[in-house]
Amino acid sequence: EPEVTQTPSHQVTQMGQEVILRCVPISNHLYFYWYRQILGQKVEFLVSFYNNEISEKSEIFDDQFSVERPDGSNFTLKIRSTKLEDSAMYFCASSELASLISYNEQFFGPGTRLTVL
Amino acid sequence: QQQVKQSPQSLIVQKGGISIINCAYENTAFDYFPWYQQFPGKGPALLIAIRPDVSEKKEGRFTISFNKSAKQFSLHIMDSQPGDSATYFCAASSSRTGNQFYFGTGTSLTVIP
Repeated sequence: EPEVTQTPSHQVTQMGQEVILRCVPISNHLYFYWYRQILGQKVEFLVSFYNNEISEKSEIFDDQFSVERPDGSNFTLKIRSTKLEDSAMYFCASSELASLISYNEQFFGPGTRLTVL
Repeated sequence: QQQVKQSPQSLIVQKGGISIINCAYENTAFDYFPWYQQFPGKGPALLIAIRPDVSEKKEGRFTISFNKSAKQFSLHIMDSQPGDSATYFCAASSSRTGNQFYFGTGTSLTVIP
């Protein structure tokens, strides 16, 4: 069964450092998403991406964040200068379509746990 | 602004019992309501989902009840099993505004043998 994969599973970084979280969405999916989940809290939307550009972004997704689909298979989230409060589990998700016709079933990856020291 | 409110925060049910988790939303543009199940250390996995054109959807032991006028929907787990112990998140999205999910705060379900 196709699945979304994410690397690394755990990333530890020093405050102020740049991190890149990587995701490989399901191959025929067209929409990609990043969410984060601070420990013990709800899952929060960060950004959606379609046709090589950002579709929507939340208030959390400020200038420190960027996304990219560098090679047609990977989908990355970059945090330029990490802060302590960026420590969270980051989930990538993908969906095949987003229309009134089909269900918007989003498939989530296993997540990357980011720890900022 | 909390788009989706979920209750209870935690739930303990005896094996064989019925687990009920409730969610309420405000945005009438929402047109897709999934429930996700999350085990510790794993990503959320889609359990069951509903569109607002039906009032109920059943898949095995899992049923979503949807009340459009009240802007509420709930998950019922019949014959709850210890293996159902997990965190359950309701969510909502709108195809008109990018399809990002707005998640509820989650319910930690424990099914005791």
